[in-house]
Amino acid sequence: EVQLVESGGGLVQPGGSLRLSCAASGFTFSSYWMNWVRQAPGKGLEWVANIEQYGSEKNYVDSLKGRFTISRDNAKNSVYLQLNSLRAEDTAVYYCARGWQRFYFDLWGQGTLVTVSS
Amino acid sequence: QSALTQSASVSGSPGQSITISCTGTSTDVGTYNLVSWYQQHPGRAPKLIVYEVSQRPSGVSNRFSGSKSGNTASLTISGLQAEDEADYYCCSYAGSFSHVVFGGGTKLTVL
Repeated sequence: EVQLVESGGGLVQPGGSLRLSCAASGFTFSSYWMNWVRQAPGKGLEWVANIEQYGSEKNYVDSLKGRFTISRDNAKNSVYLQLNSLRAEDTAVYYCARGWQRFYFDLWGQGTLVTVSS
Repeated sequence: QSALTQSASVSGSPGQSITISCTGTSTDVGTYNLVSWYQQHPGRAPKLIVYEVSQRPSGVSNRFSGSKSGNTASLTISGLQAEDEADYYCCSYAGSFSHVVFGGGTKLTVL
């Protein structure tokens, strides 16, 4: 089955860190850009970051640069998002999404909830 | 980077047509034909319904159509059905600095 499955979310204190994982299956993972998109409770979608097929190019939304890091391991068919210096406003469901033709998100995971609170 | 601008809500009766607009700038929607639309039902992940301004992925109903004029992209849903009630988001490539931007979302209510 073609799918993406996120994990690693949870409750973390302000200033803390988390590493989100997204496991891909059912398609040739190394052929696609991969993305992270987040959605705060009751709010809209916000693109967070993407990574080129072999990790040589990484892009981030300006507001998050320096705190979040995207990476991938093609041998494990997985993409990761390291979240550091977390703030309350980072509370959101984090989705990983496949980048078909790079810019179109044609496959999404179910999302993993990150809650930043003391 | 600023989000694309969408109206907060739209409504229509079954069988009617509605259009959702998405206004960007000359640095995103106005320059690139890399506009896509997503449908999101409550508690579910988004689903790609239009890409490259007006193309539909395989399996998406032809009741969904997209277009663009200048800095504004539009999604039209014809023959409204109850299952179309959802949130709709536009998305555009915004160049090498801003990368990807989403609209704020439009809630469609089928009366």
